[in-house]
Amino acid sequence: EVQLVESGGDLVQPGASLRLSCAASGFTFRTYWLSWVRQAPGKGLEWVANINQDGSEKYYVDSVRGRFTISRDNAENSLYLQMNSLRAEDTAVYYCARQQGYWSGGAWSNWFGPWGQGTLVTVSS
Amino acid sequence: AIQLTQSPSSLSASVGDRVTVTCRSSQGISSALAWYQQKPGKPPKLLIHDASSLESGVPSRFSGSGSGTDFTLTITSLQPEDFATYYCQQFTSYPPTFGGGTKVEIK
Repeated sequence: EVQLVESGGDLVQPGASLRLSCAASGFTFRTYWLSWVRQAPGKGLEWVANINQDGSEKYYVDSVRGRFTISRDNAENSLYLQMNSLRAEDTAVYYCARQQGYWSGGAWSNWFGPWGQGTLVTVSS
Repeated sequence: AIQLTQSPSSLSASVGDRVTVTCRSSQGISSALAWYQQKPGKPPKLLIHDASSLESGVPSRFSGSGSGTDFTLTITSLQPEDFATYYCQQFTSYPPTFGGGTKVEIK
């Protein structure tokens, strides 16, 4: 069974740092792109970042670029999100998700599944 | 960024009803659209990818259609466990984006 388990969420003050982890099992971790997606309380879903199989490609949503860093350890089957200079608007449940997709007809088609249960990050003074 | 607009934002329906949710993209995305179901306190669950490909294990009462800019999620006979929020998502270009969600409530 494919499982993704996030940890590391906490209540922190604005400007603080936090590192989230996602432990994966049940699939060949090193062969998949992985993403972080967040959901503010009562709001919709927002993609945050993703990373390719060997960690050489990383992409970020504009609102976190320069503050957040995604990384992975294929030996440990783990995904990470280092979050610095946290702001109140970063308050959300953070999900890790396996990314799937393919290139066809000159375009990408990608989707997310499965997802972990999420970890709550609260940024407040 | 490609914007996805879902409609309606909420709807009330009864068990057994046919329910349709639409998702409109601000740019053509071929068939590169996915649908998710989310229940309160739970992570999203992938239902459909590539606009119409049903994910393994998802009941056949769920179906998706569309291409280009207009897409539809249909539930042919609503079941009690289907009351949830549904999101569309595109990832044919960065950043991946989600629709605002459609909450399906019990009438």
